[in-house]
Amino acid sequence: DTGVSQDPRHKITKRGQNVTFRCDPISEHNRLYWYRQTLGQGPEFLTYFQNEAQLEKSRLLSDRFSAERPKGSFSTLEIQRTEQGDSAMYLCASSLVRTTDTQYFGPGTRLTVL
Amino acid sequence: AQSVTQLGSHVSVSEGALVLLRCNYSSSVPPYLFWYVQYPNQGLQLLLKYTSAATLVKGINGFEAEFKKSETSFHLTKPSAHMSDAAEYFCAVNDPNTGNQFYFGTGTSLTVIP
Repeated sequence: DTGVSQDPRHKITKRGQNVTFRCDPISEHNRLYWYRQTLGQGPEFLTYFQNEAQLEKSRLLSDRFSAERPKGSFSTLEIQRTEQGDSAMYLCASSLVRTTDTQYFGPGTRLTVL
Repeated sequence: AQSVTQLGSHVSVSEGALVLLRCNYSSSVPPYLFWYVQYPNQGLQLLLKYTSAATLVKGINGFEAEFKKSETSFHLTKPSAHMSDAAEYFCAVNDPNTGNQFYFGTGTSLTVIP
């Protein structure tokens, strides 16, 4: 068990550019979650997958955001036409379906949009 | 609908003193409740969780929390603060029927004074 990993850890981009983040969950975990954490706030739910199916999306996930988990393993979160308001820490978590009360979090990707 | 409120965004205690971090919840169903800790530039680590078993829950690093339904509270305590406890602490709630997403509080930053 190597834990949840995220890449990159930091990303600085200019407004209007597209960015993509990757999350590798714990290998046997079939649920994967994305959260966004802005400065001084707790994490806010964005979306989650069960295997490769995206089962729920928050209203926070605007049409500029898209997430995929094509083979039910790693996931990517893409933000198109980034805005300064997208600057945040993006956290990934994973769990087993039978123990969704125990989500394991990755270290996060910190996005700064200039 | 579910939410948590953490009273006090910053708490300072002396090393060796009692730590008390407050959390009140709102939930339309009997909730599961959690405390997470976040160190700078790291993801969230689960301290402890309440999942409808014993109301006094013991976690890692000497922390414990008590679920009080009558007060809708789930305060986190530790008898004696250590310098290594300095971090951000988040209370969270989720619906045990779905487990799909956590609702986090805004966090409490704990400072330990030597």
